[in-house]
Parts: sequence; structure tokens; C-alpha cells
Amino acid sequence: DIQMTQSPASLSASLGETVTIECLASEDIYSNLAWYQQKPGKSPQLLIYAANRLQDGVPSRFSGSGSGTQYSLKISGMQPEDEGDYFCLQGSKFPPWTFGGGTKLELK
Amino acid sequence: QVQLQQSGAELVKPGTSVKLSCKASGYTFTSNHMNWIKQTTGQGLEWIGIINPGSGGTSYNVKFKGKATLTVDKSSSTAFMQLSSLTPEDSAVYYCARSNNYYYVMDAWGQGASVTVSS
Repeated sequence: DIQMTQSPASLSASLGETVTIECLASEDIYSNLAWYQQKPGKSPQLLIYAANRLQDGVPSRFSGSGSGTQYSLKISGMQPEDEGDYFCLQGSKFPPWTFGGGTKLELK
Repeated sequence: QVQLQQSGAELVKPGTSVKLSCKASGYTFTSNHMNWIKQTTGQGLEWIGIINPGSGGTSYNVKFKGKATLTVDKSSSTAFMQLSSLTPEDSAVYYCARSNNYYYVMDAWGQGASVTVSS
């Protein structure tokens, strides 16, 4: 199975700060990487797919990049509503889909 | 819009089984595969398996073979997951999630169903 190592596990950002979350795959996943946001008690919401494609309706301050084994999610200007958990998902080698361990993002 | 409506929370005894449901609306049910995912605080998110609603074909994470059984009812656009021989380690929130047809991603998720296994 492909292992997804996500970092950091938690971070705290100030209003307007740029935030970066990373996922490292155990092998090349050919940009088959998605990012999700999850609020407490809610289901995950898709933000980015295919490494850098923004899901419809997602604010443009969210962006994704990367290739091969290294991928990142950037939030350009932290907003209060961006608090939550973020995780990556690889769909390259399937089954199984595998997820990153998650990042808890808080507003400082 | 695409909606996946899951059944409610379950409190079940060890050794028993539980069957969760996921009713799809807003799209053609048989056009997209359906996944099931387990979420716990300790283990995070784990993919359980996938079912093709059109054919009934399934694929499972090796870890959940024998634990989970995926089925569908096309007439009601509903996917089901039965979990058997339940132990406290099966206590979790379980999600259904639709596979996108063009990209390797799950693009819509149900609201989740909490399962608590306790005597």
C-alpha cells in the first residue's frame, strides 16, 4: 500500500497568514492527490483534486501543487472559517485508497 | 445537487452485526462507484471498500475483508454496508463517498454514521 505522510500534525496561523500543509507519498502517485477540509462533526469537503485543480465553489485562496511523491496545500490568507482538519488522499495505486494522517489548523 | 443521506447512529453489542445505509440522490446512482470509509480518532481515515452499483462488483481493503460486506439496492438508489462480528475496535464514524468518474477522488460524502460497540 502507498503510505501518505502528512505534516504538520497541527498548526496555528494568524488571520491573513499563508499556511502550507504537505503530503509525502511512499512512491510516485502521478498527481492523483486530493485535499479535503473537515469541520468538527461534519463530513469531509473536497478542496483540490488532481493535485492542483480547485473544486467548484472553493475559495481561490486554496491552491494545490506538487508532483511525484511531494504535494502541498496552500491557504493564501488564513480566514476564521478555514479552521478545521485537513487531509490528503491518494488515488493512484488502488486498492486501497490511502489518506494522510491529517492536519489540525487553528486560528491564532 | 448530489446528496448522500446515511442512516443514523447505532449502539450495538459485541459479536453482533450492523447494516448501514446510504441513499443517493441528485445523480444517476449506477453511474458512479460508491466507497465506504472508517474514521476514528486513533487511526484516522481508512478506506474500507468500493462497490459498482451497476454490476454489484466489489473491491475491499484487505484489512476489512470478512468484516465489511457492501451491497446496493438499485431500485431505491441505496448502498449498504454490513459490519459483522463487531468488537469495540469497530466503534467509529463510517462514511459513504461517491467516486468521481474522471479523476481519482471521492467528490461527495455522506454525513457519516456513528457506530458504538459496547456491552
